[in-house]
Amino acid sequence: GQNIDQPTEMTATEGAIVQINCTYQTSGFNGLFWYQQHAGEAPTFLSYNVLDGLEEKGRFSSFLSRSKGYSYLLLKELQMKDSASYLCAVLDSNYQLIWGAGTKLIIKP
Amino acid sequence: GAGVSQSPRYKVAKRGQDVALRCDPISGHVSLFWYQQALGQGPEFLTYFQNEAQLDKSGLPSDRFFAERPEGSVSTLKIQRTQQEDSAVYLCASSPGVVGDGTGELFFGEGSRLTVL
Repeated sequence: GQNIDQPTEMTATEGAIVQINCTYQTSGFNGLFWYQQHAGEAPTFLSYNVLDGLEEKGRFSSFLSRSKGYSYLLLKELQMKDSASYLCAVLDSNYQLIWGAGTKLIIKP
Repeated sequence: GAGVSQSPRYKVAKRGQDVALRCDPISGHVSLFWYQQALGQGPEFLTYFQNEAQLDKSGLPSDRFFAERPEGSVSTLKIQRTQQEDSAVYLCASSPGVVGDGTGELFFGEGSRLTVL
């Protein structure tokens, strides 16, 4: 079966750094995405990785290791507005997006 | 409009009632997806349209669910004889390209929250 695992909830302090991990087992792989979703709102696109390595975009970076079926989202200089759920999703061999359940990130002052 | 628009934002239905949820994608977007999102879960795929063609409906949970996009723009998700387990947020997303073109960026609407009593 297809499976995407990410922690249910994480807590971090404003100004700090947090890493949200995602592991996946899917039928094929055509890329991995991270989306941010604030409570009651639609998910918004953060990043897309299809090759191994680190992609940096401002305060957010995303890493992929295809051989390990592993990705992480790194958030630096955390701000209160970063409190949200972070969804990992994999595009499988049928080009369907398979979603994780999301990691709820709580930022404390 | 600038983004994906869904209506109604909130719908309360009595069990057994039929409901229709509307999605206005971003103008010119080829791909349109419907997802069902339960509280605390990631979106679950329901169906995919490329223009007016429904290329994948494998995620529709039962024959009570029906989706259409007759002119390749606005889409409607219809749920007949609603059940309590249908209570969820129904998200619509559109994309300028086609599935498999490698971008994968989906633009989501704010969802329609359905509560079945």
